[in-house]
Amino acid sequence: DTEVTQTPKHLVMGMTNKKSLKCEQHMGHRAMYWYKQKAKKPPELMFVYSYEKLSINESVPSRFSPECPNSSLLNLHLHALQPEDSALYLCASSQDLAGRYEQYFGPGTRLTVT
Amino acid sequence: QKEVEQDPGPLSVPEGAIVSLNCTYSNSAFQYFMWYRQYSRKGPELLMYTYSSGNKEDGRFTAQVDKSSKYISLFIRDSQPSDSATYLCAMTSGGSYIPTFGRGTSLIVHP
Repeated sequence: DTEVTQTPKHLVMGMTNKKSLKCEQHMGHRAMYWYKQKAKKPPELMFVYSYEKLSINESVPSRFSPECPNSSLLNLHLHALQPEDSALYLCASSQDLAGRYEQYFGPGTRLTVT
Repeated sequence: QKEVEQDPGPLSVPEGAIVSLNCTYSNSAFQYFMWYRQYSRKGPELLMYTYSSGNKEDGRFTAQVDKSSKYISLFIRDSQPSDSATYLCAMTSGGSYIPTFGRGTSLIVHP
């Protein structure tokens, strides 16, 4: 099973709202990623967690706050977003960060900020 | 020059055609190569990955890597309308687990 699940599928939020995106995988992968994807563009890396610790933060604004409660779960907490943050948010996982590089993506959460 | 170049298309072909999708790259340190298929408004789906030069086949799909030319290809045989999607190449160097993506090629297979 190579499934990564994400909830919700769609989210509309105002600029003053607080919401969270959730991601789950049961492949035993130890690396998990958040990406942002705009239309007709490739995914853009935001965060990487390795063994439940934040490994990479690609200079993402603090209105995005990641959390990794355990090895299977990844959250992205959203607060005071801007309309330009509207995008498809993708979660991905890979076996680990050394030797097995292929990433498996979830279906994404389509976020609209009004 | 971008690290990974991929023609955005669209590439339009008739059903049953052999499709060739390509990426070129400039970083000779890249050694792990992946192809993803992404349907509109969905997440990318890993199709193929390979670590070496040469060919790798999986059903109707063949991935080809030529490291000497810094050129990778994905061939789709007997293309179907359901293959209509954006195809992204991605690659990493041995020391990095963060892939560099091409911009994706939009493929349209018409009946």
